[in-house]
Amino acid sequence: GENVEQHPSTLSVQEGDSAVIKCTYSDSASNYFPWYKQELGKRPQLIIDIRSNVGEKKDQRIAVTLNKTAKHFSLHITETQPEDSAVYFCAASSGSQGNLIFGKGTKLSVKP
Amino acid sequence: EAGVTQSPTHLIKTRGQQVTLRCSPISGHTSVYWYQQALGLGLQFLLWYDEGEERNRGNFPPRFSGRQFPNYSSELNVNALELEDSALYLCASSLMSTFRYTFGSGTRLTVV
Repeated sequence: GENVEQHPSTLSVQEGDSAVIKCTYSDSASNYFPWYKQELGKRPQLIIDIRSNVGEKKDQRIAVTLNKTAKHFSLHITETQPEDSAVYFCAASSGSQGNLIFGKGTKLSVKP
Repeated sequence: EAGVTQSPTHLIKTRGQQVTLRCSPISGHTSVYWYQQALGLGLQFLLWYDEGEERNRGNFPPRFSGRQFPNYSSELNVNALELEDSALYLCASSLMSTFRYTFGSGTRLTVV
């Protein structure tokens, strides 16, 4: 079955800097890669996703890149703000499994 | 549009007892997913239901079970509770095969 590894587990940046979180997956049949943000005490919320037929997707300050050959994908946050502080989860899904498998999460702290 | 609703929000149970958690998906969503979020362990996949059928289950013992009703709401049952079952149980719903989850706020289960 699918296995998703996520790094780093914690990340601390200064406000205004960029943050990058990386994930690798094992199932070459995986074709959908979302990222969720979970603020303290709240539910995970989808922030951006990418399907395997594209290599990059951008939405304002966040972007996701996908390298299918290497089986890894990354979340990039530019011009970080204190409200970006949260736990971020990557996930992958293949058609055969029908559900998302999540990485263990990255706790991002943005210091003012 | 109402989001995914879960009940109860919190509960405390004694080891060996049984518990039932409930989830109502977004209107029009036929797929319901259950995840366990224990401290430091990310989101562990439990069960996936669609159109009333169990489509996939994660690596959890059989004392974790559930069902989906004709109105697409779902229950998660946990028998013979153990201390390590203490966690946040998250329900998510999506349109079949899109994997774009919307999560509920979760049920915080404490086993003492």
